[in-house]
Amino acid sequence: DGGITQSPKYLFRKEGQNVTLSCEQNLNHDAMYWYRQDPGQGLRLIYYSQIVNDFQKGDIAEGYSVSREKKESFPLTVTSAQKNPTAFYLCASSIAALDTGELFFGEGSRLTVL
Amino acid sequence: GEDVEQSLFLSVREGDSSVINCTYTDSSSTYLYWYKQEPGAGLQLLTYIFSNMDMKQDQRLTVLLNKKDKHLSLRIADTQTGDSAIYFCAMAGTFNKFYFGSGTKLNVKP
Repeated sequence: DGGITQSPKYLFRKEGQNVTLSCEQNLNHDAMYWYRQDPGQGLRLIYYSQIVNDFQKGDIAEGYSVSREKKESFPLTVTSAQKNPTAFYLCASSIAALDTGELFFGEGSRLTVL
Repeated sequence: GEDVEQSLFLSVREGDSSVINCTYTDSSSTYLYWYKQEPGAGLQLLTYIFSNMDMKQDQRLTVLLNKKDKHLSLRIADTQTGDSAIYFCAMAGTFNKFYFGSGTKLNVKP
């Protein structure tokens, strides 16, 4: 089945450690996104990528990094510079051209900093 | 960027209608969307409306768009306990960026 796979589903990290969240899609979508979700704050855009080897900062990129070496993969690294990393992270993808513009989401990764 | 606002909670009884409201600041989006999020999961597209329409009906769902007031609403008829979830309104901006509201948590009481 086509879709987006995020891993791990749950992740615990000590302060000062970098962690990388995986996002893989087999939908042949050009665009991929990372969102952060906190209770009562909705989704905030961290980074997005319209095409391989290119990505742009979203609204809350500080303390995060991404790469887009392959069309199907868009990993997110939460660095030790991120002051409040405990959150639910959602990866999404869409076709590049706006058709219905539907975003397809993964099941999310919950990161907890101990 | 776009500012999209929703109330945080709504509680209804099973069988009643639910109305979830959303207001936004930028009206340049071609489409406006409603997404549903089950507990601990990602979001799924529920329905969407083209910006030059003012109403769209899809089975139990009715979307109303008032462009003058920049107000979008989602009505769920005959609400069921399985409709309990968080509902997000969203709209697309430039470069395929999507802007989401804060989400409305719908609680359906039996």
